[in-house]
Amino acid sequence: GQNIDQPTEMTATEGAIVQINCTYQTSGFNGLFWYQQHAGEAPTFLSYNVLDGLEEKGRFSSFLSRSKGYSYLLLKELQMKDSASYLCAVSEPRWAGNNRKLIWGLGTSLAVNP
Amino acid sequence: DAGVIQSPRHEVTEMGQEVTLRCKPISGHDYLFWYRQTMMRGLELLIYFNNNVPIDDSGMPEDRFSAKMPNASFSTLKIQPSEPRDSAVYFCASSPLDEFTDTQYFGPGTRLTVL
Repeated sequence: GQNIDQPTEMTATEGAIVQINCTYQTSGFNGLFWYQQHAGEAPTFLSYNVLDGLEEKGRFSSFLSRSKGYSYLLLKELQMKDSASYLCAVSEPRWAGNNRKLIWGLGTSLAVNP
Repeated sequence: DAGVIQSPRHEVTEMGQEVTLRCKPISGHDYLFWYRQTMMRGLELLIYFNNNVPIDDSGMPEDRFSAKMPNASFSTLKIQPSEPRDSAVYFCASSPLDEFTDTQYFGPGTRLTVL
């Protein structure tokens, strides 16, 4: 079956570093997305990993290990505005027909405290 | 670019009424997705289109739900008759035809409340 696991909630302090983990078990794999969703708003794209390793983008970094079915999102120098839900999603291989579906985790709600 | 546009932003209706949600994707995007989001079930894909043609509707809950895409710039999701358990936020997303990534861009959503 298709399964994506993330912690439900996390709490961190302003200025600190937090790591949000995501493990996946899917029948196929093309790439892994991280999206950010503030309360009452739409999900917005943060990062996309296809190859193993770390991708850095400002204060945010995303890591992927395909052999372990594991990814994490690293947020540095946390700010209050980083309080949001972070969604992990896996895309399936293109060979599966005209497949553009993403398999979504339930999201990790991050609270950043002063 | 205006981004994905959805209307209405909020809808309150009574059980049994027909509800129509509307979406305008980003111009030039080939794929359009309809999602439903609840606290319990997260983001659920209902249906998606490629070049106006439905590709996968396996997530549509039941016959009360239907979706159409008459042209590249407009899609509707209809619920008839609506039930209280349909209360959720409905998102529309679009995606370009891209060899390397499936990035989806979301609209602001429609918050539906069925009383």
